[in-house]
Amino acid sequence: DAGVIQSPRHEVTEMGQEVTLRCKPISGHNSLFWYRQTMMRGLELLIYFNNNVPIDDSGMPEDRFSAKMPNASFSTLKIQPSEPRDSAVYFCASRLTGSHNGGYTFGSGTRLTVV
Amino acid sequence: EDKVVQSPLSLVVHEGDTVTLNCSYEVTNFRSLLWYKQEKKAPTFLFMLTSSGIEKKSGRLSSILDKKELFSILNITATQTGDSAIYLCAVHTPYNNNDMRFGAGTRLTVKP
Repeated sequence: DAGVIQSPRHEVTEMGQEVTLRCKPISGHNSLFWYRQTMMRGLELLIYFNNNVPIDDSGMPEDRFSAKMPNASFSTLKIQPSEPRDSAVYFCASRLTGSHNGGYTFGSGTRLTVV
Repeated sequence: EDKVVQSPLSLVVHEGDTVTLNCSYEVTNFRSLLWYKQEKKAPTFLFMLTSSGIEKKSGRLSSILDKKELFSILNITATQTGDSAIYLCAVHTPYNNNDMRFGAGTRLTVKP
């Protein structure tokens, strides 16, 4: 298994532009999570899906952020318009709900820089 | 409000030293506590703890959970430079909105 795949690995964009981050979870995992990591705030949960349905998006910082999971093998996190304070590493993670082994599997992350 | 607190926030030691990292938590509906190691990019799983007093061990790393006092420790013996990383503690709370609450992490630096 290739693990959780995120793209792009790095993204540099200008303030005001739309940014779309992508995630392919591990096949068979039915929960998917988007995290943001910054030095100031550590690792924060933004949103998570269970069986493609958004369960909790209370961590999404504001309306500029949106996430979708159109099917079990793909999710996107969109920021529109982007701002410099959105600069962070965004992680996607997946797991099999109810699994008692290993918890989450994280992707390698997307490092976003908004200038 | 649920919280997970790790200490120290950073630690610098020399190769061969033994270190103990701490994680305390206050959450409702606790299911498990997990330790991750984050080097350059994504955190990698180390341990999952669900029962008090049972030590989990992997090589030079070990961890134990105290559900009465609400904390866990991660021990690393005979540290090596390759142990330098951020160590994350997370508590799994499936019935709360946040599902998985992470601590801020402990940055460990092992000097040669």
